[in-house]
Amino acid sequence: NAGVTQTPKFRVLKTGQSMTLLCAQDMNHEYMYWYRQDPGMGLRLIHYSVGEGTTAKGEVPDGYNVSRLKKQNFLLGLESAAPSQTSVYFCASRDRPGEQYFGPGTRLTVT
Amino acid sequence: RKEVEQDPGPFNVPEGATVAFNCTYSNSASQSFFWYRQDCRKEPKLLMSVYSSGNEDGRFTAQLNRASQYISLLIRDSKLSDSATYLCVVTENYGGSQGNLIFGKGTKLSVKP
Repeated sequence: NAGVTQTPKFRVLKTGQSMTLLCAQDMNHEYMYWYRQDPGMGLRLIHYSVGEGTTAKGEVPDGYNVSRLKKQNFLLGLESAAPSQTSVYFCASRDRPGEQYFGPGTRLTVT
Repeated sequence: RKEVEQDPGPFNVPEGATVAFNCTYSNSASQSFFWYRQDCRKEPKLLMSVYSSGNEDGRFTAQLNRASQYISLLIRDSKLSDSATYLCVVTENYGGSQGNLIFGKGTKLSVKP
């Protein structure tokens, strides 16, 4: 039972490049989330999904897109990366309210 | 934006000390409350839920005051392994975002030998 996994763990992008972050969970959770964490800002919700085929915007969705084609996977895309998107990205999933299980994070640097 | 406010610390305490963290939240409609723990360069993990009646888990005690919109976490007999950042977390409770979490920025604890 791997829980929540994220791919890749680290990535360096140049401004304007695109990439996709993959989150996978093996707990059969309906809800999945993408957060970013910046120094002094805490965790901020980017997008979330309440089930396969659904997505919704969080607090800071601009510059990101998501897809949830399969229940176990939640993809976060950056179409044209900007230095302001340098951050640590965490994926999480849950079944019941409150207890979210987080992946190990992806450290992204945009130069 | 609904806010969760915490003292950022750091709190530097000796082993064996008792330390208390406080948190206030702005959304009076929030229904669920939690403390998460985040180790350096790691993901957050649930430490404990917080109930109106107060709850205890070993050396950790959490309290909630709904009238004052105030949450606390007390750690007794601090261990070196308690060194981490403690995140105060509440749920959003409106529309489709019900159940989403709002995180405080965290309070950093450093326990010294």
